[in-house]
Amino acid sequence: NAGVTQTPKFRILKIGQSMTLQCTQDMNHNYMYWYRQDPGMGLKLIYYSVGAGITDKGEVPNGYNVSRSTTEDFPLRLELAAPSQTSVYFCASSYSGPSLNTEAFFGQGTRLTVV
Amino acid sequence: KNQVEQSPQSLIILEGKNCTLQCNYTVSPFSNLRWYKQDTGRGPVSLTIMTFSENTKSNGRYTATLDADTKQSSLHITASQLSDSASYICVVADTGGFKTIFGAGTRLFVKA
Repeated sequence: NAGVTQTPKFRILKIGQSMTLQCTQDMNHNYMYWYRQDPGMGLKLIYYSVGAGITDKGEVPNGYNVSRSTTEDFPLRLELAAPSQTSVYFCASSYSGPSLNTEAFFGQGTRLTVV
Repeated sequence: KNQVEQSPQSLIILEGKNCTLQCNYTVSPFSNLRWYKQDTGRGPVSLTIMTFSENTKSNGRYTATLDADTKQSSLHITASQLSDSASYICVVADTGGFKTIFGAGTRLFVKA
């Protein structure tokens, strides 16, 4: 019953530090996504992956990197943290792509503050 | 420009009452429209998914409608409960692949 698991739940970073947000899913989904959610705004897609070894940029990829070495894991890397990256980050997965009407499952989010 | 706009931004209702949330979109070409419920501090959870040919879809006390001609959708909540207090997010996907546009959400407060 795990679904999509994100770690950590909260993190405070100093400007210029780096970190990796972890995401793993146990539903054998090919599609995985990273979003950020800012106050009063809709979720924005950062990166997505359609399968192991394949990643692509979303709407707001600058300052982030991803990798997909396995079906289960899709970590998001922040190399040089900036205050503009203060946000809540959500990882999601789905069996097929958004245009194919399958349900997407979200993790519980990581609240990141950069000071 | 592809957009999804939701109204109202926030809403307060008494427990047991009904309410309707609105979603207008300009995403084209349209593939599907989803409604999600997001509890505070949690990730969104899917309520309904509707394609172009579907006018109505229900999930318990939640009923979503879609008018693809006017590009409008609504989410109707019947006999509200305290646990319905959450943000409700409308999401529209196009047929091209990964262009999904999220609305900013409607924050619903249900009071006893």
